[in-house]
Amino acid sequence: DGGITQSPKYLFRKEGQNVTLSCEQNLNHDAMYWYRQDPGQGLRLIYYSQIVNDFQKGDIAEGYSVSREKKESFPLTVTSAQKNPTAFYLCASSPTFGGTEAFFGQGTRLTVV
Amino acid sequence: GENVEQHPSTLSVQEGDSAVIKCTYSDSASNYFPWYKQELGKRPQLIIDIRSNVGEKKDQRIAVTLNKTAKHFSLHITETQPEDSAVYFCAEDGATNKLIFGTGTLLAVQP
Repeated sequence: DGGITQSPKYLFRKEGQNVTLSCEQNLNHDAMYWYRQDPGQGLRLIYYSQIVNDFQKGDIAEGYSVSREKKESFPLTVTSAQKNPTAFYLCASSPTFGGTEAFFGQGTRLTVV
Repeated sequence: GENVEQHPSTLSVQEGDSAVIKCTYSDSASNYFPWYKQELGKRPQLIIDIRSNVGEKKDQRIAVTLNKTAKHFSLHITETQPEDSAVYFCAEDGATNKLIFGTGTLLAVQP
């Protein structure tokens, strides 16, 4: 089954711990994105990558880090510096950067206690 | 900076009625305007999109209109059905090509 896969679906962490969310795609897409979804705030862009070995900060990058060492993988680390990490995180990919459909993963709900 | 305003935040209609959701953007360089549907507990999925060289696009019961002069675009759903109930997001790519989303509209279709 081709597509974009996020794991795990639910994640619980203690405050102060870093946690890494996985995102893998087998669509051969160049661009990948991480969004955060909070009630009433829509989808806010955390980081994006136009191509392998490249990434840029989005609108709410503080407290997050990413890597893009492989075309198919774009993991997101939520660090202890993120003040309000509990949220629903969505990864997406698109064939090229800009002007094309973004395909979303099923999301990871992170709860920090 | 890039900004997309989406209205209304919630919309309740009777089955068979039409629903209209409107988005306003600020970046005149925007060229791509997609609409996504997110059912409860599921991922957002593209339902229709429009580019800046087109004023209207239709796909069965769904249509999108774009007014570049006024910088707004709208989603129109006709003959609504209960399965249309979901959260709908508009988006635009702006000059930076980053896909910026509106805050979403919760559509409830009452049977």
